[in-house]
Amino acid sequence: AQRVTQPEKLLSVFKGAPVELKCNYSYSGSPELFWYVQYSRQRLQLLLRHISRESIKGFTADLNKGETSFHLKKPFAQEEDSAMYYCALSPLNNAGNMLTFGGGTRLMVKP
Amino acid sequence: DAMVIQNPRYQVTQFGKPVTLSCSQTLNHNVMYWYQQKSSQAPKLLFHYYDKDFNNEADTPDNFQSRRPNTSFCFLDIRSPGLGDAAMYLCATSRSRGSYEQYFGPGTRLTVT
Repeated sequence: AQRVTQPEKLLSVFKGAPVELKCNYSYSGSPELFWYVQYSRQRLQLLLRHISRESIKGFTADLNKGETSFHLKKPFAQEEDSAMYYCALSPLNNAGNMLTFGGGTRLMVKP
Repeated sequence: DAMVIQNPRYQVTQFGKPVTLSCSQTLNHNVMYWYQQKSSQAPKLLFHYYDKDFNNEADTPDNFQSRRPNTSFCFLDIRSPGLGDAAMYLCATSRSRGSYEQYFGPGTRLTVT
């Protein structure tokens, strides 16, 4: 069975500071990892996934299979980044697109 | 331009009184999912449909059922809600089994009195 852990419930930083939201996973096979974000009063939506190797809204995340981590990083946080962030895992080649979510980290960016 | 719509947004039901939550989508996606999210917890998958093929998660209580009469609509039925079933219920869709992005609805917050 797979498991996703986000050790921080709340992360508070000042505008312009670097931010790193931690995500660790356990899964015996090959995973696909995602970050989903939920802004205030909006629905949960995909931010990025490791297989795309994209930078979205200045955020990047690298899959580290050795450390089984997929931390989300941004060099300079903006106030509009304040949101709830969920790390999620899906087994690669899974027929059902099953997502296992972490517990989420609330990011607060202070002015 | 709402793509995944959930009704109602807030639902109050009495202990033991059956309740139905609905989800519709304009994306013509093959896969629809229902998640339960309790306060300060991760969304937890209850079941999903690939087209008309129903897939139940092993630990989803029998109290929860689902129907998908057509591509656009999916329903979550809770036969006898308990206080522990109070939660946010999220509906999501994805284009196919090979497509991993899930599109979420705004959720229905269920209160059980």
